[in-house]
Amino acid sequence: DSGVTQTPKHLITATGQRVTLRCSPRSGDLSVYWYQQSLDQGLQFLIQYYNGEERAKGNILERFSAQQFPDLHSELNLSSLELGDSALYFCASTPVPENSPLHFGNGTRLTVT
Amino acid sequence: DQQVKQNSPSLSVQEGRISILNCDYTNSMFDYFLWYKKYPAEGPTFLISISSIKDKNEDGRFTVFLNKSAKHLSLHIVPSQPGDSAVYFCAASAETSGSRLTFGEGTQLTVNP
Repeated sequence: DSGVTQTPKHLITATGQRVTLRCSPRSGDLSVYWYQQSLDQGLQFLIQYYNGEERAKGNILERFSAQQFPDLHSELNLSSLELGDSALYFCASTPVPENSPLHFGNGTRLTVT
Repeated sequence: DQQVKQNSPSLSVQEGRISILNCDYTNSMFDYFLWYKKYPAEGPTFLISISSIKDKNEDGRFTVFLNKSAKHLSLHIVPSQPGDSAVYFCAASAETSGSRLTFGEGTQLTVNP
């Protein structure tokens, strides 16, 4: 158990809809990262937050947004969903943004039909 | 632009033998390299890392080798055990990117009893 909690585990929704994925980092970790893993692909970095502030953006679509709240949990909002958004979405956390291994949650599997 | 590449989607070895997983990278700014292991329905779990100032790091049955001139790293597992069967991801980061990781596509390792 990494200590990173993601909910829900599975999500099935229709094209055009909007969903929110939730992540609670490990106790004491201030930095949260979101990654997307599409079928048979590596993990693609989406966005990073540190202590409530956006720290870095990766390949995140404009239809996607995220935030980190004062209690350090984070939410990833996906809107106007398309079939291609079907993927595993992982959250990870570290104590600080500097070099240290990411600790991943078990992911949310999103299926867009 | 795939900056971290794992060219073998799968590898099958006999229990007790050596497993060698390979990874190549193109970005010369990468200075920290990690291997993650992933079981089905779980998030990636950190396995071992190596800094660019070293060429080898060992942790029990796991050894990572780094060849900077060739921009190549490998993970050796000796002896391989059936419980090692999982997807292994190579990942890299640069000092300027903190803990944000760029992942390879993964290699499915199967250790046969």
